[in-house]
Amino acid sequence: DIVMTQGALPNPVPSGESASITCRSSKSLVYKDGKTYLNWFLQRPGQSPQLLTYWTSTRASGVSERFSGSGSGTYFTLKISRVRAEDAGVYYCQQVREYPFTFGSGTKLEIK
Amino acid sequence: EVQLVESGGGLVQPGRSLKLSCAASGFTFSNYGMHWIRQAPTKGLEWVASISPSGGSTYYRDSVKGRFTISRDNAKSTLYLQMDSLRSEDTATYYCATDRLNPYVMDAWGQGASVTVSS
Repeated sequence: DIVMTQGALPNPVPSGESASITCRSSKSLVYKDGKTYLNWFLQRPGQSPQLLTYWTSTRASGVSERFSGSGSGTYFTLKISRVRAEDAGVYYCQQVREYPFTFGSGTKLEIK
Repeated sequence: EVQLVESGGGLVQPGRSLKLSCAASGFTFSNYGMHWIRQAPTKGLEWVASISPSGGSTYYRDSVKGRFTISRDNAKSTLYLQMDSLRSEDTATYYCATDRLNPYVMDAWGQGASVTVSS
């Protein structure tokens, strides 16, 4: 199985600052079609997960431009610019390069 | 508006069965893959199973293979998860999700159904 390893954040993050979350995979997430199958989700307290980005860097519909995904191969980053109170929650990366799909353990973002 | 509504959760004894449903609306259900993802109390997300749009292909995580069955009724726009031989480690909130944007991109999730396996 592909293991996804997420980094931690120096919580709490002051409102208006930027925050970057790292995610490493144990195997390249590039598929033979050339796409990199890495998704990012945010789960706010008490809510279902919400898709933020897919294919590493494509933002989902309705997601703020403050969220930007980057990376390639086995190393990925989700950057949140000018963090706001509503960004608080747990962020998960997920690989869908192959079954079984796997998630990182989650990175908690707290806002000051 | 896309809606996914799970039902069928509850308290069940170890070794017994339970069947979850996920009623879909707001999109053409038969065109998209569907997935079950679970989250144990205070834990992270764990993919459980996926099914192709036609239902002809199914995929499972090893720990549920042979015990869980994912299926769909496209005429009823409903996804199912039959869970047999339940174990305490299956205790979790179970979410259904769909990938309307692109295959394997879980862009819409339900609110979740709670399953507790305990004697």
